[in-house]
Amino acid sequence: DQQVKQNSPSLSVQEGRISILNCDYTNSMFDYFLWYKKYPAEGPTFLISISSIKDKNEDGRFTVFLNKSAKHLSLHIVPSQPGDSAVYFCAASGDSGNTGKLIFGQGTTLQVKP
Amino acid sequence: NAGVMQNPRHLVRRRGQEARLRCSPMKGHSHVYWYRQLPEEGLKFMVYLQKENIIDESGMPKERFSAEFPKEGPSILRIQQVVRGDSAAYFCASSVYSGTMNEQYFGPGTRLTVT
Repeated sequence: DQQVKQNSPSLSVQEGRISILNCDYTNSMFDYFLWYKKYPAEGPTFLISISSIKDKNEDGRFTVFLNKSAKHLSLHIVPSQPGDSAVYFCAASGDSGNTGKLIFGQGTTLQVKP
Repeated sequence: NAGVMQNPRHLVRRRGQEARLRCSPMKGHSHVYWYRQLPEEGLKFMVYLQKENIIDESGMPKERFSAEFPKEGPSILRIQQVVRGDSAAYFCASSVYSGTMNEQYFGPGTRLTVT
């Protein structure tokens, strides 16, 4: 049962343009969402998060949007840079037990072309 | 402030041997989470520990896997009698607080290969 889904395995974008990565979830108990970036042979690096009481959070070039009614969130990167090329994971927490454990999507590989 | 440390970075074990993976959380963090990433998959939660306590082990396989976070020293994930299916990247994360609404910071991972 995949509670967090990233339906696009890969995305290719030109440098300077906007990258939009999408994520859907099924569990309405989730109340906190995070995006992580991962390079090969390294651990995930925290990028940005959003609480379920908000619909937008912005940090520099990164903005996360949350649509609770659609159970959908997206990460916008503007402008995209070649160094942004990596695998991006969305994650959610807040299900039963409230222990903070993260449920991850399968990841989307972003390639930013110079 | 050093990040989350994991060692070894790479571990090769033959079937039937034991694997011990270590994780030192960030300074000031007392909450440790272990995740496993199988090839071509996302990260899957395994276990959540605080000092001397296992809080949530709902993601741990029922047999051969155990975890601890002693009062002194790193957290240890132990896999007994490893099988080929245990080959994966194992990541440890730490956080300042428990529960939701807080970020987890990940270590570089231990890549376990079972031959």
